[in-house]
Amino acid sequence: NAGVTQTPKFRVLKTGQSMTLLCAQDMNHEYMYWYRQDPGMGLRLIHYSVGEGTTAKGEVPDGYNVSRLKKQNFLLGLESAAPSQTSVYFCASAGTSGEGGDTQYFGPGTRLTVL
Amino acid sequence: GQNIDQPTEMTATEGAIVQINCTYQTSGFNGLFWYQQHAGEAPTFLSYNVLDGLEEKGRFSSFLSRSKGYSYLLLKELQMKDSASYLCAVMDSNYQLIWGAGTKLIIKP
Repeated sequence: NAGVTQTPKFRVLKTGQSMTLLCAQDMNHEYMYWYRQDPGMGLRLIHYSVGEGTTAKGEVPDGYNVSRLKKQNFLLGLESAAPSQTSVYFCASAGTSGEGGDTQYFGPGTRLTVL
Repeated sequence: GQNIDQPTEMTATEGAIVQINCTYQTSGFNGLFWYQQHAGEAPTFLSYNVLDGLEEKGRFSSFLSRSKGYSYLLLKELQMKDSASYLCAVMDSNYQLIWGAGTKLIIKP
């Protein structure tokens, strides 16, 4: 099992460009999440999905869109990148919402720089 | 608002014991998680507490007091590979994780 994979690993964008980050999991998990991690701050939830075809906003959704067309994939889109979106982006998946201590499994991250 | 507090950085000696504290104020509580994150890598799960008390798992233990909004992670017999950031996260009433900024632990020989 590969677990949770993310592509690309690194990306540099110019302000105004668009891109899509791909997350894939092979654990048949229902729940998937996109976080961003910035220095000196905790992980912040951007969007999440509780199942195929569903998406919901997290704490910091502005400037991002997501889609979950297949259960195993969760895509994060930046329509018009801004320097404030320079960050490390992590995808995570879980079998349940977390009740009973069900843990989230993280992908290796995507390091995005917006110039 | 929701808030998770933990020290920014701690230093300890190889072979020693270190305690990393976490205090929280959240809207609801459905458990507290500790994750380990090595530099440049993804967070990985260490422990979960939902009831008061101590959970032991090898060299690592985690304690929770819900009435005090307080948890700690105890690492024994420190090894150089334990140098990492330790993230405290609380699951709120909506079953979403609220994350602390992490504690960077530096192990010295």
